Amino acid sequence: AQSVAQPEDQVNVAEGNPLTVKCTYSVSGNPYLFWYVQYPNRGLQFLLKYITGDNLVKGSYGFEAEFNKSQTSFHLKKPSALVSDSALYFCAVRVFYSGAGSYQLTFGKGTKLSVIP
Amino acid sequence: GAVVSQHPSWVICKSGTSVKIECRSLDFQATTMFWYRQFPKQSLMLMATSNEGSKATYEQGVEKDKFLINHASLTLSTLTVTSAHPEDSSFYICQGHLNTEAFFGQGTRLTVV
Repeated sequence: AQSVAQPEDQVNVAEGNPLTVKCTYSVSGNPYLFWYVQYPNRGLQFLLKYITGDNLVKGSYGFEAEFNKSQTSFHLKKPSALVSDSALYFCAVRVFYSGAGSYQLTFGKGTKLSVIP
Repeated sequence: GAVVSQHPSWVICKSGTSVKIECRSLDFQATTMFWYRQFPKQSLMLMATSNEGSKATYEQGVEKDKFLINHASLTLSTLTVTSAHPEDSSFYICQGHLNTEAFFGQGTRLTVV
């Protein structure tokens, strides 16, 4: 079964420090991996994705993620955290959903990021 | 990028009444729309997949008669929570996709009193 794991429920980091939000995956075949951010009472916003190519993917708002096939990881990173980065972050993998004959996203449980001023 | 517009953003209703949530793809055709439910501080749980012109596909444990999904056109999918009860209070999110990209509605906060 395809799955995504986010081992940390919460990550706290001081403003200006680098941040990492962890994600590991389990899929058959080549994974399509995504990171989304969710602010309170809002839908999800796309940050970045890995489909193929360079293992280091750069996305929105200064975020980047590194695809590591040997470790089956896709950790989200940012060199210098901002207070406004505080939100809920979801890692997701795209899988083929036979029931509907289409692709769907399977999400990790989410990681709450708190950036402390 | 593509936009999925979801309305209403929040709704409060009385127990026993029905609530309709709409999701429109504004600049692309969404042949498939996914409907999720999210409990506080939890991940998104896929409820059902709506397909334009055919019946929706529901996930195991989701009541078809309670959560009515209609995908009447390539740009509109609706979720109706029928005979709502307080336990149906939750955050509901729709999602369309275009090529490899997923586009989410803004979400609907449903509170049943």
